[in-house]
Amino acid sequence: DSGVTQTPKHLITATGQRVTLRCSPRSGDLSVYWYQQSLDQGLQFLIQYYNGEERAKGNILERFSAQQFPDLHSELNLSSLELGDSALYFCASSVLPGGQGSEQYFGPGTRLTVT
Amino acid sequence: AQSVTQLDSHVSVSEGTPVLLRCNYSSSYSPSLFWYVQHPNKGLQLLLKYTSAATLVKGINGFEAEFKKSETSFHLTKPSAHMSDAAEYFCVVSEGGYQKVTFGIGTKLQVIP
Repeated sequence: DSGVTQTPKHLITATGQRVTLRCSPRSGDLSVYWYQQSLDQGLQFLIQYYNGEERAKGNILERFSAQQFPDLHSELNLSSLELGDSALYFCASSVLPGGQGSEQYFGPGTRLTVT
Repeated sequence: AQSVTQLDSHVSVSEGTPVLLRCNYSSSYSPSLFWYVQHPNKGLQLLLKYTSAATLVKGINGFEAEFKKSETSFHLTKPSAHMSDAAEYFCVVSEGGYQKVTFGIGTKLQVIP
């Protein structure tokens, strides 16, 4: 158990809908990362937050948004869902956003199925 | 800018034989380097990390990696493969400061009985 929790574990929804994925980082970790993993795209970095502020952006679509709250939990919002958004979404946390102390601890993931 | 290249997308070894998973990196600064393992339908787990201390890093489950600055490599090795090592392995580089972390594309390790 990494100490990172993600809810829900599974989510099935229809195209065009909006969903929110939630992540609670390990105690003491200030940085949160979101990743998307699919069979055809592999592991894709989406976005990173550090202590409530956006720190780095990866391949995140405009339909997707995220935020980190004062209690350090984070939410990833996915809207106007398409079939291609079906994937495993991982959250990870680390003490620092880069360099030493940036080893990440991953949650178990949320499996999103868009029908 | 930082980057990481995993040289093999698939590696197949027999049980009991050595494992070598190759990773080259590019970094403008002294990087931190990591290896993660992902078993099917599981999250990623940290195997080991290099953060400018000893160049030979020992990790969990008998894995180790050697940081070679002259070759810009951080290859992952294990003397004897076990069936439970079958998984996907990711090499990761992170520069200091507030730079983002960059993952390699992953290497799938198959262990043949």
